[in-house]
Amino acid sequence: AQRVTQPEKLLSVFKGAPVELKCNYSYSGSPELFWYVQYSRQRLQLLLRHISRESIKGFTADLNKGETSFHLKKPFAQEEDSAMYYCALSSTSGTYKYIFGTGTRLKVLA
Amino acid sequence: GAGVSQSPRYKVAKRGQDVALRCDPISGHVSLFWYQQALGQGPEFLTYFQNEAQLDKSGLPSDRFFAERPEGSVSTLKIQRTQQEDSAVYLCASSRGGDGKTYFGPGTRLTVT
Repeated sequence: AQRVTQPEKLLSVFKGAPVELKCNYSYSGSPELFWYVQYSRQRLQLLLRHISRESIKGFTADLNKGETSFHLKKPFAQEEDSAMYYCALSSTSGTYKYIFGTGTRLKVLA
Repeated sequence: GAGVSQSPRYKVAKRGQDVALRCDPISGHVSLFWYQQALGQGPEFLTYFQNEAQLDKSGLPSDRFFAERPEGSVSTLKIQRTQQEDSAVYLCASSRGGDGKTYFGPGTRLTVT
């Protein structure tokens, strides 16, 4: 079955601490992996995608095909990082429709 | 442009009523998607249009759900005889197609009482 799993519903860290949001997937084929973020009262927006290998707002994510994981990391959390984070995958061809995980709420405490 | 817009932003319907949700994609975007997001869940795919053609409707949960995009721009998601389980945020998204960069609208929160 095609699935994205985010095991943590809520993750609380102190400002300046490292953050890792976990994402595992199952997919037959070669998917493209994404992280989307939703700040309070804002729309869902792309944070990063694995093919671009960018670092956005200090976040990085490495695709590990052996472990079928795409964990999101940031070395030093900031209060403005508090938001809902969704991991998603899509096929590398065709419609680019997404399969989303259930999301992890990140709270960065002062 | 201003991005993907959706209307209404909030809709309360009595069980059994029909509702229509509108999506205005970014101008020139070929691909348009509808997603349903229940409380505490991630968005779930409903249907996909390429221009006016509905190429994938595999996610529509029942035949009470119907979507159209007759001129290849604005899209309407219609839900007939609403049920309580239809209560969710309905998200519209659009993209130029091909590169996979997708932009989401603010969503319509539907509450069925």
